[in-house]
Amino acid sequence: EVQLVESGGGLVQPGRSLRLSCAASGFTFDDYAMHWVRQAPGKGLEWVSGISWNSGSIGYADSVKGRFTISRDNAKNSLYLQMNSLRAEDTALYYCAKDTDIAVAGIMRHWGQGTLVTVSS
Amino acid sequence: EIVLTQSPGTLSLSPGERATLSCRASQSVSSSYLAWYQQKPGQAPRLLIYGASSRATGIPDRFSGSGSGTDFTLTISRLEPEDFAVYYCQQYGSSSKTFGPGTKVDIK
Repeated sequence: EVQLVESGGGLVQPGRSLRLSCAASGFTFDDYAMHWVRQAPGKGLEWVSGISWNSGSIGYADSVKGRFTISRDNAKNSLYLQMNSLRAEDTALYYCAKDTDIAVAGIMRHWGQGTLVTVSS
Repeated sequence: EIVLTQSPGTLSLSPGERATLSCRASQSVSSSYLAWYQQKPGQAPRLLIYGASSRATGIPDRFSGSGSGTDFTLTISRLEPEDFAVYYCQQYGSSSKTFGPGTKVDIK
């Protein structure tokens, strides 16, 4: 069974940094691209970033480009999101999602339960 | 960036009725790279449809997708009680994978 477990969320002040992690199990991690998707409280879904199986292809939403960095460690079956210069509008539940493909196809077949990031002073 | 618009914002229907949800893109979605997701309160989204019309594994056949170019439709042939939820379309034909704002299907 595919399992994705996010961690690392919490309350952080504007301008500070936070690193999210996603622990994957139940599938061959380095056979799939991975994504981060966020959802602000009471709002819709927003794709944040995606990374191919070997980190050779990476994409970001314009809203986080230059501030967030996605990475993965295939030896540890883990996905990461380094978030710098955080803003109030980054407050959201952050989901880790598994693609259906080795490349960043963008079809998100499996999702974690999310980790909440709150940016506030 | 491709902007997706969904209509209606809310659809109020009774169990057993047919639901028709629309998703329109600001520019053509290449190769019909359009997906639909269902989300219930407190839960993660669930993939329903990809490639505009292919059902994901385990999705009942009362869910169907259609369309191409800029206009796409999700149809639920007969609503079951568990189908009342929010539905999002998503395009993955460009480097930025955008979602629509969602359509809420609630009980009339």
